[in-house]
Amino acid sequence: SQTIHQWPATLVQPVGSPLSLECTVEGTSNPNLYWYRQAAGRGLQLLFYSVGIGQISSEVPQNLSASRPQDRQFILSSKKLLLSDSGFYLCAWSTGHPNYGYTFGSGTRLTVV
Amino acid sequence: SQKIEQNSEALNIQEGKTATLTCNYTNYSPAYLQWYRQDPGRGPVFLLLIRENEKEKRKERLKVTFDTTLKQSLFHITASQPADSATYLCGGGDMRFGAGTRLTVKP
Repeated sequence: SQTIHQWPATLVQPVGSPLSLECTVEGTSNPNLYWYRQAAGRGLQLLFYSVGIGQISSEVPQNLSASRPQDRQFILSSKKLLLSDSGFYLCAWSTGHPNYGYTFGSGTRLTVV
Repeated sequence: SQKIEQNSEALNIQEGKTATLTCNYTNYSPAYLQWYRQDPGRGPVFLLLIRENEKEKRKERLKVTFDTTLKQSLFHITASQPADSATYLCGGGDMRFGAGTRLTVKP
């Protein structure tokens, strides 16, 4: 069966520090991969999505970047965090077929202080 | 711009009643809509998909409708239970989601 792993679960980082969040999917090949951010009490904001290795589409201009070095690995990065980067970050994957929806990871709670 | 909206932030109902949540879309015509459940501190979990040519779909105590005239989907939970308390998100099939409705079922 397919599983998605996302870590760390919580992270407290000072302003100006770098960020690296990792997400891996097991049990499937060539998944569509997504990074979302959810501010407190808000909806899901799509940050990046990828349909293949090295293919990254950005939805929101900001100081975050994403990379897909391997088929089932998706990394969210920042060189210098801002206070406004605080939030709940979710990785998700899909087959591309809508019947199965998106499968989300357990999320990373990032607090920038 | 294309929007998918859930206008009710919160809904409180009594156990045993039917909960009805609303999802509206504007400026586009999604081929399908998806509904998800999200518990606090967790990622959303996919529940149901309904296509534009399907008026209604059911899964156990869940029922979803899709009205292309009203540009709206309704999500119903019948015989609601306290365990149904969660935030429910509507997805517009284009990687975008509504803000969610937080449902609280009181015993």
